[in-house]
Amino acid sequence: KAGVTQTPRYLIKTRGQQVTLSCSPISGHRSVSWYQQTPGQGLQFLFEYFSETQRNKGNFPGRFSGRQFSNSRSEMNVSTLELGDSALYLCASSVQDRVSDTQYFGPGTRLTVL
Amino acid sequence: AQTVTQSQPEMSVQEAETVTLSCTYDTSESDYYLFWYKQPPSRQMILVIRQEAYKQQNATENRFSVNFQKAAKSFSLKISDSQLGDAAMYFCAYRSAFNTGTASKLTFGTGTRLQVTL
Repeated sequence: KAGVTQTPRYLIKTRGQQVTLSCSPISGHRSVSWYQQTPGQGLQFLFEYFSETQRNKGNFPGRFSGRQFSNSRSEMNVSTLELGDSALYLCASSVQDRVSDTQYFGPGTRLTVL
Repeated sequence: AQTVTQSQPEMSVQEAETVTLSCTYDTSESDYYLFWYKQPPSRQMILVIRQEAYKQQNATENRFSVNFQKAAKSFSLKISDSQLGDAAMYFCAYRSAFNTGTASKLTFGTGTRLQVTL
């Protein structure tokens, strides 16, 4: 079974631009979560989607948004990029939304904001 | 809010030896899940092992085992017979068992970089 895939793997943008990252979960997985990883802040939860609905959201500004499609694929969008948005963005999927479900991570998208 | 602390920024182990990575956490909840994830240079986060707080028995996965001390809020990872491929960043993570609010999120520690030497 194929793992979680994320596209693109690398991205370079300039301040003020917006960016969209994509995540395809493991087949059969319906829950998708997003995390931001930076050297300074470590791994931080962004949001979680299940059945096309955002269930949970971390402590990030409104510039960070996401959505989930009927096939469980998810996208996250960052508008008006800032230098501090440079990070590795990780997507994780799980079967459902039960807390007992293990989250499996994709390889990440490395975003660099210049 | 829950917090996860990994006090060892870096550890080193010789090939075939055993190493233990430490993790402590703070929570007021009685039911939760604990995880160890491995992040090699490829940056892919890989699940190593998980532990349910309601289980007293320590989880094991081949060469990986944990020492879960619920009262002490400690969750260490032991890697036996270390291999070069074990070199990576290791993250301890916590997840609430209560399916409300942001309970589904993982709270991570700051990580321990493990080096494996010949």
